[in-house]
Amino acid sequence: DTGVSQDPRHKITKRGQNVTFRCDPISEHNRLYWYRQTLGQGPEFLTYFQNEAQLEKSRLLSDRFSAERPKGSFSTLEIQRTEQGDSAMYLCASSPPQTMNTEAFFGQGTRLTVV
Amino acid sequence: AQSVTQLGSHVSVSEGALVLLRCNYSSSVPPYLFWYVQYPNQGLQLLLKYTTGATLVKGINGFEAEFKKSETSFHLTKPSAHMSDAAEYFCAVSEYSSGSARQLTFGSGTQLTVLP
Repeated sequence: DTGVSQDPRHKITKRGQNVTFRCDPISEHNRLYWYRQTLGQGPEFLTYFQNEAQLEKSRLLSDRFSAERPKGSFSTLEIQRTEQGDSAMYLCASSPPQTMNTEAFFGQGTRLTVV
Repeated sequence: AQSVTQLGSHVSVSEGALVLLRCNYSSSVPPYLFWYVQYPNQGLQLLLKYTTGATLVKGINGFEAEFKKSETSFHLTKPSAHMSDAAEYFCAVSEYSSGSARQLTFGSGTQLTVLP
């Protein structure tokens, strides 16, 4: 499978715990995006990487959220001290470097439930 | 900032009937516009996109959309609905951020139900 891969697909955690999600983009895609989707809403942009550089992070929801892409390949999104309001689907997307109008390819998402 | 409004959070059509899902956007610059489809517990799949050129865009599964600048609209249509079209549909507009990223701003989605 050469699509965007996300792991885990589902995560249930207790309030206050830390969670980390992984995203493997399509090979040779240098751009990687994280989005959050709550029930009944469209995805909401969180952050963006070009290679290993995090070029946009002002939309991260709070300082409990952080993302990395250390070698310009896979990325991780961490949420510290989870709250019930963090329950959502977290989507990763990637796009190739060439043209400005290339669409993003989405993974299947990680569904987080905070209890 | 750009925004997207999808009129009608739920649309029901009979199998074989016309599908029309409405999308209006706001943008201070020429937009790039997209329609994505999402099946339950899945990611988003691109149906079609408008960047430049022809304003009538054809996509997968028989869907098409027309960019109308004067109406700031990008409505999605399909002449004849199929049961497999039942899903949630999202309209999105792209915007720049630092590094020329093409992050997407999504509408709140329209759930399409196809009745037998």
